[in-house]
Amino acid sequence: DADVTQTPRNRITKTGKRIMLECSQTKGHDRMYWYRQDPGLGLQLIYYSFDVKDINKGEISDGYSVSRQAQAKFSLSLESAIPNQTALYFCATSEGGSSTDTQYFGPGTRLTVL
Amino acid sequence: AQKVTQAQTEISVVEKEDVTLDCVYETRDTTYYLFWYKQPPSGELVFLIRRNSFDEQNEISGRYSWNFQKSTSSFNFTITASQVVDSAVYFCALSGNSGGSNYKLTFGKGTLLTVNP
Repeated sequence: DADVTQTPRNRITKTGKRIMLECSQTKGHDRMYWYRQDPGLGLQLIYYSFDVKDINKGEISDGYSVSRQAQAKFSLSLESAIPNQTALYFCATSEGGSSTDTQYFGPGTRLTVL
Repeated sequence: AQKVTQAQTEISVVEKEDVTLDCVYETRDTTYYLFWYKQPPSGELVFLIRRNSFDEQNEISGRYSWNFQKSTSSFNFTITASQVVDSAVYFCALSGNSGGSNYKLTFGKGTLLTVNP
C-alpha cells in the first residue's frame, strides 16, 4: 500500500463549487504539506502543518483552506473554486525535527475547474 | 531568498546515450540541502536523492550519478545509458536552515527528459 494517498485522483467541478481534497499517510510523519503544480512551473506551497495544532500559510494560500484532522490526515478545501485553480495538487509529508527533512509526495490530484 | 534554476526546459536523447541535467542554486544559508525528484508521465513525484551542503562527494546509484560543486553552486544529475523508462520531468529542489525555514522546498521548473527508442 502507498505511504501517502490522495483522494480523489481526478476531479472536474464547476466555478463556485466547494471542493475538498484529502490526504492520508501511514508514514507516521508529523509534517504535512499541500502544493499545486501548474504546467511549466515548479511546485508552489499552499499550506503546511507541523503537527495537528500547527497550521501555516504557504506562498499561495488565498482561496484555499486546510484542516488537519489527525496526524495522518490533512485536507485541502477550495471554498469557491475558480478556473485558475485548475492544477495538479500534491500532498507531501516529512518526518520533521531536523534540517534533513525530506518530503515524500502523494500521487497527486488532478483538478479541473470549468 | 532561495532560487533554483534548471536552464534546460526539454532534452531529447536516444536510448543508451548519457544525459546530464543541470541544476544551479542560490542561497545565503550556510547549511542547506539539495534534492532531485522524478515525475514520470503517470504524474507522481518520486524522491531520488538528498545531499547536504557539507558533503561534496559525488554519488553514484546504478545508472544515476550526481555531481555537487559548491564552487559553482551546481548539483547536476547524470543518467548513464539512458532508457525509455527514464523519460520524465526531473525537478531539482533546495531547502535551507535559516529562520526555521528547513521545511521549505524551493523547486526549479523542471527538465523534461524524453528518451527515444
